[in-house]
Amino acid sequence: EADIYQTPRYLVIGTGKKITLECSQTMGHDKMYWYQQDPGMELHLIHYSYGVNSTEKGDLSSESTVSRIRTEHFPLTLESARPSHTSQYLCASSTGISYEQYFGPGTRLTVT
Amino acid sequence: GDSVTQMEGPVTLSEEAFLTINCTYTATGYPSLFWYVQYPGEGLQLLLKATKADDKGSNKGFEATYRKETTSFHLEKGSVQVSDSAVYFCALSDRGGSYIPTFGRGTSLIVHP
Repeated sequence: EADIYQTPRYLVIGTGKKITLECSQTMGHDKMYWYQQDPGMELHLIHYSYGVNSTEKGDLSSESTVSRIRTEHFPLTLESARPSHTSQYLCASSTGISYEQYFGPGTRLTVT
Repeated sequence: GDSVTQMEGPVTLSEEAFLTINCTYTATGYPSLFWYVQYPGEGLQLLLKATKADDKGSNKGFEATYRKETTSFHLEKGSVQVSDSAVYFCALSDRGGSYIPTFGRGTSLIVHP
């Protein structure tokens, strides 16, 4: 059973607010990822990390930032939220052995 | 670069019908192949996988065979249920390359009673 958690599950905030989406996993996986999922369901990689103090931007340009200070924790921060950030955000982790990904339940963000 | 193409949805079926969702891929290396499922309001979860040519992945009545000669990994189920209604994603990970998987765009399946 995979254990990866995201909080909050749902968030409605006003434009200009700073927010942090939390992601934690208890499996000891070194690789973690953030995806943005559009209404058409397609997944877009926005950030990833191969381990502590390692972060990289993904294929989709994003105004968000991430940090990886601990193996189990990979938070995503938006310094100033805008309506264009309204989306579903999915966090995932994986090992380098099986290559399969374990996903959290997602955070549904709405910026008004 | 690597890519995954899967059939567009929605796929609409009656309960107990046969399901096929087509998936083809291009990869520079020798990838592992996956099917993930996403139920409403949830994240993705692994449905099945195959790591080498001619391997068959199976789970919950779903099957897919790794066909290297046709670069395909089609998902099948003999008799779908209403509870199978979800979005299905085909994906690959190139084991010789980065740890960044490539996902298809997803196929929505709707099963009616």
